[in-house]
Amino acid sequence: GAGVSQSPRYKVAKRGQDVALRCDPISGHVSLFWYQQALGQGPEFLTYFQNEAQLDKSGLPSDRFFAERPEGSVSTLKIQRTQQEDSAVYLCASSLGGNQPQHFGDGTRLSIL
Amino acid sequence: AQSVSQHNHHVILSEAASLELGCNYSYGGTVNLFWYVQYPGQHLQLLLKYFSGDPLVKGIKGFEAEFIKSKFSFNLRKPSVQWSDTAEYFCAVNAPTLGRLYFGRGTQLTVWP
Repeated sequence: GAGVSQSPRYKVAKRGQDVALRCDPISGHVSLFWYQQALGQGPEFLTYFQNEAQLDKSGLPSDRFFAERPEGSVSTLKIQRTQQEDSAVYLCASSLGGNQPQHFGDGTRLSIL
Repeated sequence: AQSVSQHNHHVILSEAASLELGCNYSYGGTVNLFWYVQYPGQHLQLLLKYFSGDPLVKGIKGFEAEFIKSKFSFNLRKPSVQWSDTAEYFCAVNAPTLGRLYFGRGTQLTVWP
């Protein structure tokens, strides 16, 4: 069956531009997570949704980062006024909720020039 | 806050050698434990998980892991590795009441044929 789909796979932006990253979770998965993975590091938590409710955004590094999931399905991670330190792979994961394991997408590799 | 340590950043083995990758975590309460694998060019995939019960858990492709509560460890093992096991391996934990995963920085395993 279809897995977690993320787009675009690669994004290059100039410093100061805004970017939007999309995540399409597995159908029926109520929980959705965003992680940031810097080169040579493990993924780090950014934010978590249960259906359309954003229950935890404690991992967002600054107020330039914003995430939404308005209809409880597709989610968008937006980064405003991008900085070079925002360069990373952004991973989306979804799960059935509770203690169910998270399924990851391929990620979006963001490069800020 | 929880943290996860993976002691080996890069492990190089010959085919048929035995594998053990270390993982230690810091958290005082009940945890769920996971090993994820990322093959070259692919997304993170769940290798195995521990929630409760038998501390020795078996996963896909002949991998197993042992949860030792007194040592806060969840080491990954495989008796005989194959070239196709070349990948990056991530240990992760979460608290049952929270969905967010805490990852180690990963171990790159290279298996020579």
